[in-house]
Amino acid sequence: DAGVIQSPRHEVTEMGQEVTLRCKPISGHDYLFWYRQTMMRGLELLIYFNNNVPIDDSGMPEDRFSAKMPNASFSTLKIQPSEPRDSAVYFCASVAWGEAFFGQGTRLTVV
Amino acid sequence: ELKVEQNPLFLSMQEGKNYTIYCNYSTTSDRLYWYRQDPGKSLESLFVLLSNGAVKQEGRLMASLDTKARLSTLHITAAVHDLSATYFCAAGTYKYIFGTGTRLKVLA
Repeated sequence: DAGVIQSPRHEVTEMGQEVTLRCKPISGHDYLFWYRQTMMRGLELLIYFNNNVPIDDSGMPEDRFSAKMPNASFSTLKIQPSEPRDSAVYFCASVAWGEAFFGQGTRLTVV
Repeated sequence: ELKVEQNPLFLSMQEGKNYTIYCNYSTTSDRLYWYRQDPGKSLESLFVLLSNGAVKQEGRLMASLDTKARLSTLHITAAVHDLSATYFCAAGTYKYIFGTGTRLKVLA
């Protein structure tokens, strides 16, 4: 298995633009998490899914953020409109048997 | 709401020395996880601790869990430069909450 795959690896966008981050979890894993990492706030849990259903989105910072998981092999995190303070590394992780496996992350820069 | 705290935040140590990183969590959690992150990289799973008294060891790293004290430790034995990284603990059964991380630098 190739592990958790995220795309793009790097994204630079202008303030106000829509940004979509993508994640392909490991096949057979039934939980999927989205995290955001910054120097100031560390690793923040944004939302997590179980069997494609959003379970807890209390960490989503604002209505500008939305996440979907249309099927077991794909999830998106969308920011619309983006702002400079959204600049961070966004990680996706899939979980099975109590262990989380992280993707390589997407480094987002909003200018 | 579950909160996870680590200390120290920064740790600079000489090669060959021993040290311990502490992880406290605020509410009941039957699982505790340790991860390693190298600069600019993703998180790598080190240990999954599933029960009170659990102890796991891999090379120079040993992790333990005391669910009654809500405390986990990551002990480093005879540190080497390759262990330089940031170490995170996380707690939670389904909703994994991470600590602030401990940035470890091992000096030659």
